[in-house]
Amino acid sequence: NAGVIQTPRHKVTGKGQEATLWCEPISGHSAVFWYRQTIVQGLEFLTYFRNQAPIDDSGMPKERFSAQMPNQSHSTLKIQSTQPQDSAVYLCASSLGLGVYEQYFGPGTRLTVL
Amino acid sequence: SQWGEENLQALSIQEGEDVTMNCSYKTYTTVVHWYRQDSGRGPALIILIRSNEREKRSGRLRATLDTSSQSSSLSITAAQCEDTAVYFCATDTEGADRLTFGKGTQLIIQP
Repeated sequence: NAGVIQTPRHKVTGKGQEATLWCEPISGHSAVFWYRQTIVQGLEFLTYFRNQAPIDDSGMPKERFSAQMPNQSHSTLKIQSTQPQDSAVYLCASSLGLGVYEQYFGPGTRLTVL
Repeated sequence: SQWGEENLQALSIQEGEDVTMNCSYKTYTTVVHWYRQDSGRGPALIILIRSNEREKRSGRLRATLDTSSQSSSLSITAAQCEDTAVYFCATDTEGADRLTFGKGTQLIIQP
């Protein structure tokens, strides 16, 4: 079991460009979560899916961020018109369920917006 | 304590000492997760304590949960250099499906 896979590990974009981050959850896990991590804000919840359906996107900046889960083997987080304040580590996690279930995190994608 | 508006806290101790990290949460929770994050990696669960448990042990780790004061603690006995990491608590606040993470504690163990 390779664990949660995130690609790319590092991404550098220019201001105004688009960034797409990929996540492959652990096979058999029904929930997939996206977080953003910065020194100042810590680990911030963005959105999650259960059985591929979007359940809660309350943490997503509404205008430029979107997430999809087209099939059970991958999810994407897309940021349009990236801004320097979007620079962060984006973490994906998957779990067998919600609440008491352990979340397994990927290594993260470090996004740097110049 | 990790919660509220506090920034990432830092603790530095000598190898062999015991250390306790605290976490307080704002509302009812059914479970407290404790994760550790090593540099360049995602967080990994180290201990989970449910609301009907007051204490949970795993090797040199001990977690406590006091639902009346809405607080949890993580203790490490005889800390080793490899315990150096950032430690987070997380709760399913108000029974929400998702976890809310504290700001974390940067623990540094000096040889």
